[in-house]
Amino acid sequence: EAGVTQFPSHSVIEKGQTVTLRCDPISGHDNLYWYRRVMGKEIKFLLHFVKESKQDESGMPNNRFLAERTGGTYSTLKVQPAELEDSGVYFCASSQAHRDILRGEQFFGPGTRLTVL
Amino acid sequence: TQLLEQSPQFLSIQEGENLTVYCNSSSVFSSLQWYRQEPGEGPVLLVTVVTGGEVKKLKRLTFQFGDARKDSSLHITAAQPGDTGLYLCAIPEGNQFYFGTGTSLTVIP
Repeated sequence: EAGVTQFPSHSVIEKGQTVTLRCDPISGHDNLYWYRRVMGKEIKFLLHFVKESKQDESGMPNNRFLAERTGGTYSTLKVQPAELEDSGVYFCASSQAHRDILRGEQFFGPGTRLTVL
Repeated sequence: TQLLEQSPQFLSIQEGENLTVYCNSSSVFSSLQWYRQEPGEGPVLLVTVVTGGEVKKLKRLTFQFGDARKDSSLHITAAQPGDTGLYLCAIPEGNQFYFGTGTSLTVIP
């Protein structure tokens, strides 16, 4: 069974440009999470989808970030316009049920390293 | 304010040595998880601890949850180069998941 995949693995853009990150969760996982790790800081929660609905987006930094999960399968995270402080590694994770994360059954993708110059 | 403090931040040891890394907070947790992350990969779960005072072993790794459920430790016996990586503790809190800043471990052959 394929794990969580993310695309691209790396992205280097200039300040002011737009970038779209993609996450494909494990097949059958209704819950999809986005996290971000900024240099020197801890991994922080951004938002949580249940199927196509945003369950919790309290971690989204500002309105330059837009996450979607049309059809409840893959998800995209768009940053427009990108700023220098958006640089970091963006992780996606999925779980079958939300309560599964209590048992550690939340599976992470390899991340997308975003560099904004 | 950082919910989970991990120490040390960096650790470099020789193969065969023992080490302990710590995860501390002023809050009480219902459970705590330890992850290992290797370069270019996402965090991978090592263990979940739930009961205060609980000790779990995973081969050469020993995990302990503090009696008061406010701290945890990870002890590695006879470290191997394959143990190199970033060790993260994390807790579920409400609907979210919080990570510590991690301990970056390098085991030198």
